[in-house]
Amino acid sequence: SQQGEEDPQALSIQEGENATMNCSYKTSINNLQWYRQNSGRGLVHLILIRSNEREKHSGRLRVTLDTSKKSSSLLITASRAADTASYFCATDRANAGKSTFGDGTTLTVKP
Amino acid sequence: DAGVIQSPRHEVTEMGQEVTLRCKPISGHDYLFWYRQTMMRGLELLIYFNNNVPIDDSGMPEDRFSAKMPNASFSTLKIQPSEPRDSAVYFCASSLSGGQTYNSPLHFGNGTRLTVT
Repeated sequence: SQQGEEDPQALSIQEGENATMNCSYKTSINNLQWYRQNSGRGLVHLILIRSNEREKHSGRLRVTLDTSKKSSSLLITASRAADTASYFCATDRANAGKSTFGDGTTLTVKP
Repeated sequence: DAGVIQSPRHEVTEMGQEVTLRCKPISGHDYLFWYRQTMMRGLELLIYFNNNVPIDDSGMPEDRFSAKMPNASFSTLKIQPSEPRDSAVYFCASSLSGGQTYNSPLHFGNGTRLTVT
């Protein structure tokens, strides 16, 4: 089974609203990463948070990590139509050398 | 930097035919990954290389799948013979190791959409 699971599976909001997506995982990790995938394209890396970090910001993105609950959240503030995409979390386990992706959250931002 | 380049972008073939997917990673990256994406199974890691050497091929579905990396700038994923259930989008990704932190961000190509009829 996948290491990371995103919630919700789909999210539809109006432009200007905030979007929050969650990721839960099962085993201890080194890092957790978030990626965006536009339709018909490859995944694009957004942000990496290490296991000893609790929060990280990048522009309109805010990522939190709670290792005690084995969960992470991605917040996109002041969403734009261009944020419409699928968002994936990827977990990197210690000594695994590879990232394992969840099933993704499909975000639709209506103009 | 041109990014990770995959070819072809689309491939349509008949069951039983051999299919070869190609990938050129970002220059200087020492890790290369092959992923497969389907609606049913999501994004699955098939195999990854470090310095051209296969490290983990446990995700390769069966012997019909093989991957090679003859040099640092080229990799192939071959399916022989192909079957309709192989229809998916195949992604290649590369990354640069960072010493102890080898789980660096992945840089993906735009994928090859394979349809096997």
